Amino acid sequence: QSALTQPASVSGSPGQSITISCTGTSSDVGSYNLVSWYQQHPGKAPKLMIYEVSKRPSGVSNRFSGSKSGNTASLTISGLQAEDEADYYCCSYAGSSTYVVFGGGTKLTVL
Amino acid sequence: QVQLQESGPGLVKPSETLSLTCAVSGYSISSGYYWGWIRQPPGKGLEWIGSIYHSGSTYYNPSLKSRVTISVDTSKNQFSLKLSSVTAADTAVYYCARLYYDILTGYLQDFDYWGQGTLVTVSS
Repeated sequence: QSALTQPASVSGSPGQSITISCTGTSSDVGSYNLVSWYQQHPGKAPKLMIYEVSKRPSGVSNRFSGSKSGNTASLTISGLQAEDEADYYCCSYAGSSTYVVFGGGTKLTVL
Repeated sequence: QVQLQESGPGLVKPSETLSLTCAVSGYSISSGYYWGWIRQPPGKGLEWIGSIYHSGSTYYNPSLKSRVTISVDTSKNQFSLKLSSVTAADTAVYYCARLYYDILTGYLQDFDYWGQGTLVTVSS
């Protein structure tokens, strides 16, 4: 059982927007603006898409955006494209005893 | 361009110790950042194992701490993972990655560069 809770799957049609939630607790997501999101295609290493809740690394499309409210963080992908189909994982700093926790992952299907 | 490459045995017997090394190129480990190990059992999600600074300071996942040792060799620009008393549940793809560390707050933040991963199977 993962420390952060994500929906197992989401889907959307090309051009649409989808949102993936990541629910933690007041000890992790709720306490720190240190949520990151990773995209993982089959057989590949994860790729950093969002860090510090809403910042995008250089080279990541501005179709990807992040936000947080309370103990829940969200990743929104707008203008869905076929290449966005992948697994997405959230991650958060969780304080000085647990340190780093991941979500269980969400499989995004582009219909 | 920062690159990380995992290496080590792909098959380990139950009760033995899993040993992996991550060679870093394009960036000096001594220049900063934490360096970490993350694993992913087949068909499952990501699990952070632990991380190390060039000084040797380490942080471990509490659920694995009793079996994990992470070390660093700055002269070779690499770091290593040892996981003892392995069982079939430790079968996974093991990734090494660079982890941003805020020196002011002491918080571990995000993994910005990853190795390609290496599958380790625990079986007799």
